[in-house]
Parts: sequence; C-alpha cells; structure tokens
Amino acid sequence: AQSVTQPDARVTVSEGASLQLRCKYSYSGTPYLFWYVQYPRQGLQLLLKYYSGDPVVQGVNGFEAEFIKSNSSFHLRKASVHWSDSAVYFCAVSPDSNYQLIWGSGTKLIIKP
Amino acid sequence: NSKVIQTPRYLVKGQGQKAKMRCIPEKGHPVVFWYQQNKNNEFKFLINFQNQEVLQQIDMTEKRFSAECPSNSPCSLEIQSSEAGDSALYLCASSLDSYAEQFFGPGTRLTVL
Repeated sequence: AQSVTQPDARVTVSEGASLQLRCKYSYSGTPYLFWYVQYPRQGLQLLLKYYSGDPVVQGVNGFEAEFIKSNSSFHLRKASVHWSDSAVYFCAVSPDSNYQLIWGSGTKLIIKP
Repeated sequence: NSKVIQTPRYLVKGQGQKAKMRCIPEKGHPVVFWYQQNKNNEFKFLINFQNQEVLQQIDMTEKRFSAECPSNSPCSLEIQSSEAGDSALYLCASSLDSYAEQFFGPGTRLTVL
C-alpha cells in the first residue's frame, strides 16, 4: 500500500539557519508529490508540487524540494528560515491510479530566536 | 491564497446530534474533496466529487456520514448521529482535476461533547 513517512515529528532550527524536512514515500511508480504547510488554526496551504521534469522544484517563500527517485524521497529545504515559518509541514502523495492524497504525519517546525 | 470557503469554522454538538458543514469550492474547480484531520494530524480521506458525481468514497463510517455537491449550491458533509470519535478538523479542498494540486479551506472544527 502507498504510504508517506515523515520521520521527524518535530524539528527545531535557529532563525536564519538552513532547514531540511524529510519525506519518503512508498509507491512503485512516480507519484505526484506535494508539500503543504498548516499554520495554527488555519487550513493547509500548498508550498510546492512535483509532477515531472526538473527534480528540484521551487515553491513559495523560498522553499524548494528535490525529488530523488532512487531514494523515494522528496525532502523540503530552505536556505534561511524566519520565525514566521513556524508551522506544521505535511508531505503528500497522489498516486497516479488514485485521486485522494496520501499524507505524512507532519513535522512541526519550531524556530528559535 | 485559497478561496475555498468552509462554514461554520467551529461546530459543537452533543453525542447523537446531527452535524452539518458546508464548502464552497474555488470558482471553476469541478473536483471537491473532504478529509478528516484528527488531533494527531492523521488525515482520513472521506469522499470526493467531480461536479455532482461521487468519484471515490470510503465506507462512510457505518453510513453515519453523507455528503453531496448539488449544482449551484454549496457542497455539504453531514454526520447523522455524532460520536465523540468524530471530533476533528474537517477539511474541504477543491482542484481543477483529480490529479492537480488541491486547495484547502480553513476547515470546520467539530467538537462532539
């Protein structure tokens, strides 16, 4: 069965430091891949998506992610975090034979001043 | 920013009561999804529609859950007889097609006392 793993439930980073949030998926083909962010008491906002082509995709607010097929990974990165990046980040997969999104368990990002 | 509208934002019901929430998808988006997000950040896909037709749905929780997307009216999700375990954030999302990125509303937070 398809699954998405975000191994880090919580990541703490100092403001201005770089960030990587990990995501691995289990699927035999190449799915559509997404990163969403959820701020407190808000819905989910799309950060970026990968469908095909260049494996490094750029998103909003300086976020990017790299699709590595050999590793079944789609890690999220940011060069320099800001306090406003504090939120929960979700990796999601849309297998090409299905319509629904398969979600990771989320990573809570805490920014230290 | 997403233009999916969900009402009400908060819903409090007693056990056994009906709970109904509504969703207006982004203009021009024919596909609508409903997800349940519990307090552990686990997502459960409930149902999706393309225009007024059901594309996929889970076994709707002992038939207590029902949903519809009538023409020219908001989509709705209703729980006939609420249980404590139904307490969650109910997220509505819309998209241009089944595989495109989904845009989420702020959610309806249901509390069943």
